[in-house]
Amino acid sequence: SAVISQKPSRDICQRGTSLTIQCQVDSQVTMMFWYRQQPGQSLTLIATANQGSEATYESGFVIDKFPISRPNLTFSTLTVSNMSPEDSSIYLCSVAPGLAGDSEQFFGPGTRLTVL
Amino acid sequence: SQQGEEDPQALSIQEGENATMNCSYKTSINNLQWYRQNSGRGLVHLILIRSNEREKHSGRLRVTLDTSKKSSSLLITASRAADTASYFCATSRGTSGSRLTFGEGTQLTVNP
Repeated sequence: SAVISQKPSRDICQRGTSLTIQCQVDSQVTMMFWYRQQPGQSLTLIATANQGSEATYESGFVIDKFPISRPNLTFSTLTVSNMSPEDSSIYLCSVAPGLAGDSEQFFGPGTRLTVL
Repeated sequence: SQQGEEDPQALSIQEGENATMNCSYKTSINNLQWYRQNSGRGLVHLILIRSNEREKHSGRLRVTLDTSKKSSSLLITASRAADTASYFCATSRGTSGSRLTFGEGTQLTVNP
């Protein structure tokens, strides 16, 4: 398994501003992901954070809105840009330490974002 | 769009009873994982079952997988009030590496 921490755990932000969420893992992992969970709903994958290259975004998510950094194998950030109330969600990072397509995936505690 | 559907959406039982939650998916998979989420917090990994496996156990948890029906079930035996949570299934598909697609989730309430 992996121990994952996220900062901040929660925040309340004004519309039009941006928030950067940090994700730290206690061991080096190749695969790291960012998910969004809107209120009362399930999780949706935003992007795969690739170390040393641009993130790979899922349909419906774009880099301008959700820029991602992955400077090394233990750390990543997700920025939610130009926020609106519709961005109010829990944002979770996850890692898959094992083989691609055959690995358990472990999640951080999440960042609960409220946009006013 | 979500790969999976879960039923029931909500389940309320008494302590000591068994709880069964079902998950269906639409495409071929590498594996299926079950997670628990308490009150909007982070997800706790419960079990991973691979596409060539039919059943796995972990403590009071039993997971089955039927790839011909594209469905899985999670059974929690002798439930406790502390099992109250949302339960999600998530699939990893052949072409997607480790990217997960989540089901809609089942809200389980275990009454003391």
